[in-house]
Amino acid sequence: NAGVMQNPRHLVRRRGQEARLRCSPMKGHSHVYWYRQLPEEGLKFMVYLQKENIIDESGMPKERFSAEFPKEGPSILRIQQVVRGDSAAYFCASSPPGQGGMDTQYFGPGTRLTVL
Amino acid sequence: DAKTTQPTSMDCAEGRAANLPCNHSTISGNEYVYWYRQIHSQGPQYIIHGLKNNETNEMASLIITEDRKSSTLILPHATLRDTAVYYCIVRRGGYQKVTFGTGTKLQVIP
Repeated sequence: NAGVMQNPRHLVRRRGQEARLRCSPMKGHSHVYWYRQLPEEGLKFMVYLQKENIIDESGMPKERFSAEFPKEGPSILRIQQVVRGDSAAYFCASSPPGQGGMDTQYFGPGTRLTVL
Repeated sequence: DAKTTQPTSMDCAEGRAANLPCNHSTISGNEYVYWYRQIHSQGPQYIIHGLKNNETNEMASLIITEDRKSSTLILPHATLRDTAVYYCIVRRGGYQKVTFGTGTKLQVIP
């Protein structure tokens, strides 16, 4: 069973461009989470999605950031008009349905975004 | 979610058991203890979790005190590949975000 997949693994953008980060959850997983890790800092929650629904976006910056998890295909984290402060590692995690109340999240390898 | 306290860093000799402590004195009855680790630049890796009883899997053992106010993660035979930041997390059941603290930086020494 393949793990959580993220692509690209490294992404370089110039200020003002758009960044699209993709996350394919583990097979059978229907819950997706996005986290951000700034250089030399801990992981911070951004958003939690289920298929076609945003459940918790309390960690998302109010502007320029959006996320989706369509019925078909990967989850997408989109950053518009990137700035240097967006440079970070972005991790996706997924968890399966029906764990009897538990929620063990499995993380992908991350996408490292560098904004020039 | 309850707050946790971990030592900032620890060293362990290769081949020896690594015992990583975690205090969570404000844990409530429906909160679980989770352990993750992050090897440099990689995504966090799930290790183990428990509620009240001690747990063991192929990676580690989790010992939770009877009053549940603290726990210890045990890596029975540490290798150099176990060098990582280890996060102790206390959280309720159900689907929700994971809040990562600063963790313990474990250095396994040859």
